[in-house]
Amino acid sequence: DSGVTQTPKHLITATGQRVTLRCSPRSGDLSVYWYQQSLDQGLQFLIQYYNGEERAKGNILERFSAQQFPDLHSELNLSSLELGDSALYFCASSVDGGNTIYFGEGSWLTVV
Amino acid sequence: ILNVEQSPQSLHVQEGDSTNFTCSFPSSNFYALHWYRWETAKSPEALFVMTLNGDEKKKGRISATLNTKEGYSYLYIKGSQPEDSATYLCAYNNNDMRFGAGTRLTVKP
Repeated sequence: DSGVTQTPKHLITATGQRVTLRCSPRSGDLSVYWYQQSLDQGLQFLIQYYNGEERAKGNILERFSAQQFPDLHSELNLSSLELGDSALYFCASSVDGGNTIYFGEGSWLTVV
Repeated sequence: ILNVEQSPQSLHVQEGDSTNFTCSFPSSNFYALHWYRWETAKSPEALFVMTLNGDEKKKGRISATLNTKEGYSYLYIKGSQPEDSATYLCAYNNNDMRFGAGTRLTVKP
């Protein structure tokens, strides 16, 4: 158990819908990262937050947004969902941006 | 090198063989290089964090080296066992944490 908690574990939704994935980082970690893993793809970096502020942005679509709240949990919002958004979404956390990051178990999103 | 590149993409070895794979990364503005082990149906788990040129890290039969000037790191597994079968990821840590596509290792009994 890494200490990073993600909910929900599985989610099935229809195209055009909007979903929110939630992540609670390890106790004491200030940085949160979001990654997407699609079929036969590696881990694609989406976005990173540090202590509530966006620190780095990767290949995140405009239909996707994220935020980190004062209690340090983070949410990834995915809207106008398309079939291609079906993927495993990982959240990870670290004490700071340069340290080992610890992954949650991921949220499986299936868009039908 | 603009991104993190790993080779080979996949590798099949026999139990007892020693093996190694490569991670290439941008050599400018280096901060840290991470290695992770990712088993099927699990989350990636950290193996090493390497920050200094010439760094060598070891954990059991697995070791890694780092060359920041030329932008590469090697991961070595000595005497591979079936339980070593996994995807090995490296991640380049600069302003963010970008992962390579990984090397998928299969160790046959």
